[in-house]
Amino acid sequence: DAKTTQPPSMDCAEGRAANLPCNHSTISGNEYVYWYRQIHSQGPQYIIHGLKNNETNEMASLIITEDRKSSTLILPHATLRDTAVYYCTCTRGGSQGNLIFGKGTKLSVKP
Amino acid sequence: DTGVSQDPRHKITKRGQNVTFRCDPISEHNRLYWYRQTLGQGPEFLTYFQNEAQLEKSRLLSDRFSAERPKGSFSTLEIQRTEQGDSAMYLCASRRTGGNEKLFFGSGTQLSVL
Repeated sequence: DAKTTQPPSMDCAEGRAANLPCNHSTISGNEYVYWYRQIHSQGPQYIIHGLKNNETNEMASLIITEDRKSSTLILPHATLRDTAVYYCTCTRGGSQGNLIFGKGTKLSVKP
Repeated sequence: DTGVSQDPRHKITKRGQNVTFRCDPISEHNRLYWYRQTLGQGPEFLTYFQNEAQLEKSRLLSDRFSAERPKGSFSTLEIQRTEQGDSAMYLCASRRTGGNEKLFFGSGTQLSVL
């Protein structure tokens, strides 16, 4: 599975969009990009995943560059409850359970 | 979904004691996973089951660790002769088989070995 690189921390003002970057330059053609987040004292929560097209759901949008070497998770209107550690990971479809999590990005949403 | 349930939420034990954790996955999920997470790190994969069969084990899973899922429903993770380095959050997750079904995690069991 491709290694991912994320900034260790980011701040965002409440109500603004939070854009969380992830580099996965060694991603292979059959690997998906997954995003999870972990709020303090809870287990990780699935956010979104994609292969090469941009994806949107009720939680977030995922923008994957054309060369698939990086992606951005967008929380369109961040709230204080979005403060969490966000993990980007890449894995082949079907083997998602063997997700390799890095240290993620600690997002702090401030009033 | 009733969610993935883990018991206990917290466990304090003395070094050398054995501990057992339980995980109840979402009922229709036939895949069950165990992860371990230490402070400031992301979760690390330990093992997973497809129904009652244990299909993969990480090298992190030393011979003091054993996991079972006897009837393909709940699972237990036992640590024998605990060491201080075993102190961590132990997370359980489940999902349906196939495709890109998302993982659902429990809230974990926080183990402290004194």
